[in-house]
Amino acid sequence: GENVEQHPSTLSVQEGDSAVIKCTYSDSASNYFPWYKQELGKRPQLIIDIRSNVGEKKDQRIAVTLNKTAKHFSLHITETQPEDSAVYFCAAQKLVFGQGTRLTINP
Amino acid sequence: NAGVTQTPKFQVLKTGQSMTLQCAQDMNHNSMYWYRQDPGMGLRLIYYSASEGTTDKGEVPNGYNVSRLNKREFSLRLESAAPSQTSVYFCASSEQRPQETQYFGPGTRLLVL
Repeated sequence: GENVEQHPSTLSVQEGDSAVIKCTYSDSASNYFPWYKQELGKRPQLIIDIRSNVGEKKDQRIAVTLNKTAKHFSLHITETQPEDSAVYFCAAQKLVFGQGTRLTINP
Repeated sequence: NAGVTQTPKFQVLKTGQSMTLQCAQDMNHNSMYWYRQDPGMGLRLIYYSASEGTTDKGEVPNGYNVSRLNKREFSLRLESAAPSQTSVYFCASSEQRPQETQYFGPGTRLLVL
């Protein structure tokens, strides 16, 4: 079955810097890759997703890139702000989630 | 719209007790899901339902049963709770397929002693 690995498990960056979180997947048939943000004590919420027919997608300060050959995709957050502090989860098509990355933005 | 709602918010059970977690959505979605979330493990799919009357096993179905009562409601039952089922349980829904935005409920925190 599908296996999704997410790195790093924790990430601390200075406010205003960029953050990058990477996921690898195993099933080459997967073609949908969402990213969810979960604030402390809250429910996960979709922040961006990408399908395999595109290599990059951007939404303001957030972008996702996909490399199907290497079977990895990454979340990029630019100009980080304190409200970006949360746990971020990637997922692959078959409803398999990564282990999560706890992102802390230091003022 | 309330979105996805779950009851109860928190529950304590003794080993061997049974209980049902309730989930409802008012977005007219066809697909519904049950996940469990454990520290360091991310979200793991227990069961999902692609439409009313259909259910399929996910990654960790053992010890659980589900019922898609109608289009709105999808319940998760623990017949004989075990300490290993201590977790936070999330219900979610999507309009048609898993490869779409999933909307999550607020979660149920379950402690099995």
